This record gives sequence, structure tokens and C-alpha cells, in this order.
Amino acid sequence: NAGVTQTPKFQVLKTGQSMTLQCAQDMNHEYMSWYRQDPGMGLRLIHYSVGAGITDQGEVPNGYNVSRSTTEDFPLRLLSAAPSQTSVYFCASSYLGRNQPQHFGDGTRLSIL
Amino acid sequence: DQQVKQNSPSLSVQEGRISILNCDYTNSMFDYFLWYKKYPAEGPTFLISISSIKDKNEDGRFTVFLNKSAKHLSLHIVPSQPGDSAVYFCAASHRSQGNLIFGKGTKLSVKP
Repeated sequence: NAGVTQTPKFQVLKTGQSMTLQCAQDMNHEYMSWYRQDPGMGLRLIHYSVGAGITDQGEVPNGYNVSRSTTEDFPLRLLSAAPSQTSVYFCASSYLGRNQPQHFGDGTRLSIL
Repeated sequence: DQQVKQNSPSLSVQEGRISILNCDYTNSMFDYFLWYKKYPAEGPTFLISISSIKDKNEDGRFTVFLNKSAKHLSLHIVPSQPGDSAVYFCAASHRSQGNLIFGKGTKLSVKP
């Protein structure tokens, strides 16, 4: 059981480049989300989805796009990378419902030069 | 403005003793609280949760206490073990939206 799989684990980009962070889950979870974690900060929600075809913005959505074409996949796109987007990105998934804990991937460490 | 606050960035405890991690929140609409544990280079893992209709929830060595009037919750680990050394995040959600709001985390070090 793979759980939540994020690729790549590490990536270095130049300012202005674009890239997609991949996230896949094999637990048939309806809810998926992307967070970023910066030094000394908690996890901040970027975007989330409650099902295929449905996405919404979180606390810090600027500079990022998402789509949810399947239940399993929830890619995060950086349109034009900026140094302020240097961070560790975590994808999470859960069943819908208030008391469903989220399962996290191991993160993607992204550096923007 | 931070809605979930973990004011202690770090905590050091001797093996076998009790670890108490604290969390304060400001939003009275929060009604569900969770603790996650995170090891380096891994994602957070769910540890324990509590609903606002309760004031205590226990799971093995881990107990979470909720004081709604003080908008405060705490995680007790008894007895603490070296394998408990990790960063602990407090998180909260409110009834109108299920998304989680995280605190900044507390790094727990349990010394043998």
C-alpha cells in the first residue's frame, strides 16, 4: 500500500521556470490538498480538492495552479517560479468528513535560484 | 494573524518522564483539533485528535486535553521514549470549513 506518493523528492529551478509537482494516492480518498512548509512556520494550505473536477484555493494560492482530473492524482503547477516559492511541499489526502485525518506524502523539497 | 499558536519552539525531556506540548487557538469557531508528528525528511503523521464536545482523549501513551474556555489544548506523552523525538504540530478546523490550520510546531527531544 503506497499511500500518498510525491515526485520528485528534490528539485532545483531557476527563477521564471515552470514545473509540476506530482501527487498520487491509492486509498480512493476524495479530499486532497497541497501545503507548503517554510522554516519556523507551520504548514500552510495552498489548494485543495473535494473530488475529481473540483478544486478551491487555500491560504496561499498565488503563483500555483491545480487540477483534479482523476480521484488519484492532484498535481501542483508552479507557473513562473520565484525565490519566495522555495519551500518544502506536502501533499495530503483523506476521506471526506470532518473527523477524517489526513495522510501526508514525504514531501518535495524545492529550491528556486 | 496566527489562529493556532505553539509558543514553545522546542522541548527537551528525559526518557521515562512526561512530555507536555501546548497549543493555543484564537478562533472560537474551531471545533476539531488534531496532533501530528513529523520526523525529518518525512511527511507529518496523524497522532491523535479531539472534538470540542470532549475535554480529553486518550490513546495509549498519548492523551490530549482540551480547555475550551481558555482556548488551549495540550498533548501529554507518558512515558516519553527516545523514538518520540520529532516535531509535533497542532492543527484545528472549524465547523464551516474542514480545512486544517496548523501551528508552527514544537520540536521534542527525548534524551536517554
